[in-house]
Amino acid sequence: DAGVIQSPRHEVTEMGQEVTLRCKPISGHNSLFWYRQTMMRGLELLIYFNNNVPIDDSGMPEDRFSAKMPNASFSTLKIQPSEPRDSAVYFCASSFGDSSGANVLTFGAGSRLTVL
Amino acid sequence: AQSVTQLDSHVSVSEGTPVLLRCNYSSSYSPSLFWYVQHPNKGLQLLLKYTSAATLVKGINGFEAEFKKSETSFHLTKPSAHMSDAAEYFCVVSYNTDKLIFGTGTRLQVFP
Repeated sequence: DAGVIQSPRHEVTEMGQEVTLRCKPISGHNSLFWYRQTMMRGLELLIYFNNNVPIDDSGMPEDRFSAKMPNASFSTLKIQPSEPRDSAVYFCASSFGDSSGANVLTFGAGSRLTVL
Repeated sequence: AQSVTQLDSHVSVSEGTPVLLRCNYSSSYSPSLFWYVQHPNKGLQLLLKYTSAATLVKGINGFEAEFKKSETSFHLTKPSAHMSDAAEYFCVVSYNTDKLIFGTGTRLQVFP
């Protein structure tokens, strides 16, 4: 398996532009997570899906952020309009299992976003 | 509130000497605990996990961690550091949900 695949790996955009980050989870995994990592705030969970359904989006910073999972093999995280403070590395992760809390996450390599 | 605390933001060791990265979690009846490692410009990778079986957990690359309920700790150790161990290490806790709580990370430096 190729692991969790994220694209783009790097994106530089200007303030006000729309940004779309993409994620392909590991085949057979039933949970998908979006995290954001910055020096100031560390790793933050933005949203996670179970069986394609959003379960917890309490970490989404504001309405400019939205996430979708139209099927089991694809998810997007969209920022519209983007702002410089959105600059961060965005990680997608997936896992398989029940809700016992022992599920292991497999992370993608991340998408580094820079908003000028 | 459920939380996990990594007591050191930076740890520096010489190659060949022991490594100790400290982690404490807020008390709960049955936490699952993990250590993840992140090398520069990479995603996070699982080192080991504890899920209420043996209290001493062995992971990859010679790392191990011991769950101590009385101390609410889950410290990560390695007998002999290697240059390739230089990375950021995250202690993670989960309480019967899919939602993981990450510590703030400990950056390990290894000097020759």
